[in-house]
Amino acid sequence: DAGVIQSPRHEVTEMGQEVTLRCKPISGHNSLFWYRQTMMRGLELLIYFNNNVPIDDSGMPEDRFSAKMPNASFSTLKIQPSEPRDSAVYFCASSLTSGYNEQFFGPGTRLTVL
Amino acid sequence: AQTVTQSQPEMSVQEAETVTLSCTYDTSESNYYLFWYKQPPSRQMILVIRQEAYKQQNATENRFSVNFQKAAKSFSLKISDSQLGDTAMYFCAFSRTNAGKSTFGDGTTLTVKP
Repeated sequence: DAGVIQSPRHEVTEMGQEVTLRCKPISGHNSLFWYRQTMMRGLELLIYFNNNVPIDDSGMPEDRFSAKMPNASFSTLKIQPSEPRDSAVYFCASSLTSGYNEQFFGPGTRLTVL
Repeated sequence: AQTVTQSQPEMSVQEAETVTLSCTYDTSESNYYLFWYKQPPSRQMILVIRQEAYKQQNATENRFSVNFQKAAKSFSLKISDSQLGDTAMYFCAFSRTNAGKSTFGDGTTLTVKP
């Protein structure tokens, strides 16, 4: 299995631009998570989906952030408009809800907003 | 709500020695899962070891073992014969049985010195 795939691995953009991060979970997994990691705030859960349905989006910082999961094999996290304080590493993870619930993480996307 | 506390933000150990990372959690659940994840400088988060709460036997994975004290709600990670490649941030995490998301601690940065 290729594991969780994220793209792009690095993104540099200017303030005000739209940013779209992509994630392909492990085949067969039914839960998908988006995290943000910064030095100041550590690892934060932004949103998670179960069977493609958003279950908990309480971690989404504000309306500029949105996430979708149109099917079991693809999810996006969009920031519009982006701001310098959005600079962080964004991780996608997937898991199988039944059983151990251990999460498998992607390599992350390092976002820099200038 | 569940909480996970890692009281040691940073630790260091000499190569080949043993180190123990602490984790405590709070929950009213009787059955759940506990995890230790490792995030090396490459930032790829990987699972190190997991423990099911209903199992009294402590989990072990090669040089990694846990000391699970259910009554005390403590879940420490012991790394034996520390290697330079063990240098990483270690996260303790909690998950309810058949629940979607996990609750992560703030992490402990471990440095293995030659």
